[in-house]
Amino acid sequence: EIVLTQSPGTLSLSPGERATLSCRASQSVRFSYLAWYQHKPGQAPRLLIYDASSGATGIPDRFSGSGSGTDFTLTISRLEPEDFGIYYCQQYGSSPLTFGGGTKVEIK
Amino acid sequence: QVQLQESGPGLVKPSQTLSLTCTVSGASISNDNFFWSWIRQHPGKGLEWIGNIYNSGSSYYNPSLKSRFNISVDTSKSQFSLRLSSVTAADTGVYYCARGRIAVPATGWFDPWGQGTPVTVSS
Repeated sequence: EIVLTQSPGTLSLSPGERATLSCRASQSVRFSYLAWYQHKPGQAPRLLIYDASSGATGIPDRFSGSGSGTDFTLTISRLEPEDFGIYYCQQYGSSPLTFGGGTKVEIK
Repeated sequence: QVQLQESGPGLVKPSQTLSLTCTVSGASISNDNFFWSWIRQHPGKGLEWIGNIYNSGSSYYNPSLKSRFNISVDTSKSQFSLRLSSVTAADTGVYYCARGRIAVPATGWFDPWGQGTPVTVSS
C-alpha cells in the first residue's frame, strides 16, 4: 500500500499569496497517477487535478499540479477567500487507492 | 451535470448491517469508462477508500478493511449500494459515494462526489 504524506498540516495565508502544498509517496506512483481534491465542510469533495498536472473541468487556472515519482505539489498561485478548506492528494497508480492526510488551508 | 446522492439511516446499532444507497443522475451508470465507489471519513480523520464496482458487476475492495463490505449496482434504478455487516463504533463516520474515472484496471480518480451521509453506530 502506498502511503501519502501531506505537508504542511495547516497553511495560513492572506488573499493574493501563493500556496504550495506537498504530497510525498512512500513509493513511486505509477504513471504519475495522482489527483488533488478540495474539501469544504458539509460539501462534496471537488476534484482539482488529475494525472498530477491536468486541471479538472471548470477549475480556475490559479490551481496547478506538478511532480512525479514520489514528490508532488499543488500550487495555488493567488489565493482567493473561497479557497479555504482541506486539500487531499490521492494516488491511483496501484491498488489499494489511498489518500493523504490532508492540508488545511486557512485564509487570514 | 452528473450528481450523486447518498441515502440511508443515520443511526445503526452495533452488530447490525448498514445499508446505504447512492442515486446517480445526469449520467448513465452503465458507461464502461467509469466505476462507482464508496469512500468514508472517520470523525476528524482523512479519507478512506472502501471499494469500487463496475458496470459488469465486478467489484474491488480495500484489502486493509475486513471483508464486511459488499457493493452492488442496480442499473435499472441508476443506483449502487453499500452493505456493511456487523458494524461497530469504529464504523462511525461520513460515507461518500463517487464516480471514478478508470485510469488502469481497478483504479482511477473520483469525480464527482456526493455530499456524504453521516452514519453513527450506537446502541
